[in-house]
Amino acid sequence: DAKTTQPPSMDCAEGRAANLPCNHSTISGNEYVYWYRQIHSQGPQYIIHGLKNNETNEMASLIITEDRKSSTLILPHATLRDTAVYYCIVRAPGEGGSEKLVFGKGMKLTVNP
Amino acid sequence: EAGVTQFPSHSVIEKGQTVTLRCDPISGHDNLYWYRRVMGKEIKFLLHFVKESKQDESGMPNNRFLAERTGGTYSTLKVQPAELEDSGVYFCASSQDRGVSRQFFGPGTRLTVL
Repeated sequence: DAKTTQPPSMDCAEGRAANLPCNHSTISGNEYVYWYRQIHSQGPQYIIHGLKNNETNEMASLIITEDRKSSTLILPHATLRDTAVYYCIVRAPGEGGSEKLVFGKGMKLTVNP
Repeated sequence: EAGVTQFPSHSVIEKGQTVTLRCDPISGHDNLYWYRRVMGKEIKFLLHFVKESKQDESGMPNNRFLAERTGGTYSTLKVQPAELEDSGVYFCASSQDRGVSRQFFGPGTRLTVL
């Protein structure tokens, strides 16, 4: 079962920042937070991941609270092409641990013109 | 760099027939994963190869499904005999390393069993 909770859907205006929340209150100390998205019927696409520090890449920023029980994915300037289902996933890396990604229901982000 | 490719993109078969799906991972990626989404459900993990070895096959639904990765390059997923409930989209992903490494997904194969 997924270890994360996300709202089912969110709307955002084109050009504005989209802030996507995720709760992971039972996260363990060695578990990372990953974000993937699925645009329409394409394969899931990696966005970003982090452990406890905030992270930024060319796609998005990830803000993780100090207690690590929640995080926010930020798309700084949402475009229509960012309309997708976004998945927040927690996973522990390392030998002996499962490498699988556990996808929950995700959150449908709709970017409106 | 070519991404993960899957073949075919669509397959329509009748119940009881056999279908083989193929996945070509990104060159040099030792880790290969199969996932599937059936009938509006969530995407579910099926199994994980490290090179030619099955590392984790805990998600395989039953013995009608057989995955192989001979030589540690491409992988095939055979469904024999196919049932109606096998309809869905089958995704393949690959990653270079284990652990924190990101997984790169292919476009998926849409399987319809009539």
